[in-house]
Amino acid sequence: DVKVTQSSRYLVKRTGEKVFLECVQDMDHENMFWYRQDPGLGLRLIYFSYDVKMKEKGDIPEGYSVSREKKERFSLILESASTNQTSMYLCASSRTVLNTEAFFGQGTRLTVV
Amino acid sequence: QQQVKQSPQSLIVQKGGISIINCAYENTAFDYFPWYQQFPGKGPALLIAIRPDVSEKKEGRFTISFNKSAKQFSLHIMDSQPGDSATYFCAASKGGATNKLIFGTGTLLAVQP
Repeated sequence: DVKVTQSSRYLVKRTGEKVFLECVQDMDHENMFWYRQDPGLGLRLIYFSYDVKMKEKGDIPEGYSVSREKKERFSLILESASTNQTSMYLCASSRTVLNTEAFFGQGTRLTVV
Repeated sequence: QQQVKQSPQSLIVQKGGISIINCAYENTAFDYFPWYQQFPGKGPALLIAIRPDVSEKKEGRFTISFNKSAKQFSLHIMDSQPGDSATYFCAASKGGATNKLIFGTGTLLAVQP
């Protein structure tokens, strides 16, 4: 059974903290993605990676960075957490095949206080 | 700027009825249109997808209708069941092996028994 695992289901952090969200996939997928989900706004792409050490900005990269040192692991970093980054964060992965399915993790609900 | 517009935001349907969710897009370079289904506490999962070379695709009770000239596509759920109650997202991507998806804003479907 394919799996994308996010390290935390719920996270509470203080304003200004550096926050790491971790994602691991066991499907040997080349592509990995970080999305943010907010009510009424849907899923918005923050960053994606198509190979180890390769990354591209998505639609809302401001305030975030990413790291992909190994193929199976993709980390999202909030350099200095702010209250407007309180959200549900979803990690996904897919193969490098045209029009193929993306598999999502269960999400991390981050609250910044 | 919302590249994929989805409506309605929420929908209540009686058991056995037809649920219809609509999406419209602007970018004619989009060539893959999936629908994802998300249950509470879970990540989205692929439900059904279509490419613009066909006007309709059916899988069980779920049908995508695609109108290329109008740049619109819709999801029809026939004989809706309470177990279909979930949030539905339409999405689009414009080719390439990175499979970067642009999502709509989501529709919360409630099927009443």
